[in-house]
Amino acid sequence: AQKITQTQPGMFVQEKEAVTLDCTYDTSDQSYGLFWYKQPSSGEMIFLIYQGSYDEQNATEGRYSLNFQKARKSANLVISASQLGDSAMYFCAMRELYTGGFKTIFGAGTRLFVKA
Amino acid sequence: SAVISQKPSRDICQRGTSLTIQCQVDSQVTMMFWYRQQPGQSLTLIATANQGSEATYESGFVIDKFPISRPNLTFSTLTVSNLSPEDSSIYLCSVESPYEQYFGPGTRLTVT
Repeated sequence: AQKITQTQPGMFVQEKEAVTLDCTYDTSDQSYGLFWYKQPSSGEMIFLIYQGSYDEQNATEGRYSLNFQKARKSANLVISASQLGDSAMYFCAMRELYTGGFKTIFGAGTRLFVKA
Repeated sequence: SAVISQKPSRDICQRGTSLTIQCQVDSQVTMMFWYRQQPGQSLTLIATANQGSEATYESGFVIDKFPISRPNLTFSTLTVSNLSPEDSSIYLCSVESPYEQYFGPGTRLTVT
């Protein structure tokens, strides 16, 4: 069963506007972590933001914020004041615990295009 | 934070050969992870490598094809054996802290 769902294969946004990238997840665990990563065309994976399942406040990092709705199992990324350099692939990921350790699984990704 | 380097950054290999990828971390870490990213796809976990124990492989990945070594707390290698064109991918190693995950720059493998 798909555990991380990103329904938007591609998104367009005008420079300086805000954009929301959707992410829903499925887990029966009470303790888990949610991550967003940016992957520019260079291929590197850049960590953006983290939200723990017990965190009551939505995580924020500069222009990035995570709209965490636990009951709906959604963890949308909001990018404010988009810049041309934000054009990249964005991945949502969830960390689950299992016996002996943990692992992180990734969604399919959303490609963001920022228009001048 | 952790700084991770990988070697080689890219390689072109012939079918049937093997490639060993090295991953070096600038601090001691318990768990290291190896991922594969096929062209245009997301990341898929290959295996988790703990120092001093056998690597734990995910469904669809086997030790004979992807042997992993973890000789100490700062270093790991992933070998992709008996290469076929389907192995053409980016391979990334990563380490995790409680609230972050750090990736190496990746190794871009092309199999001809």
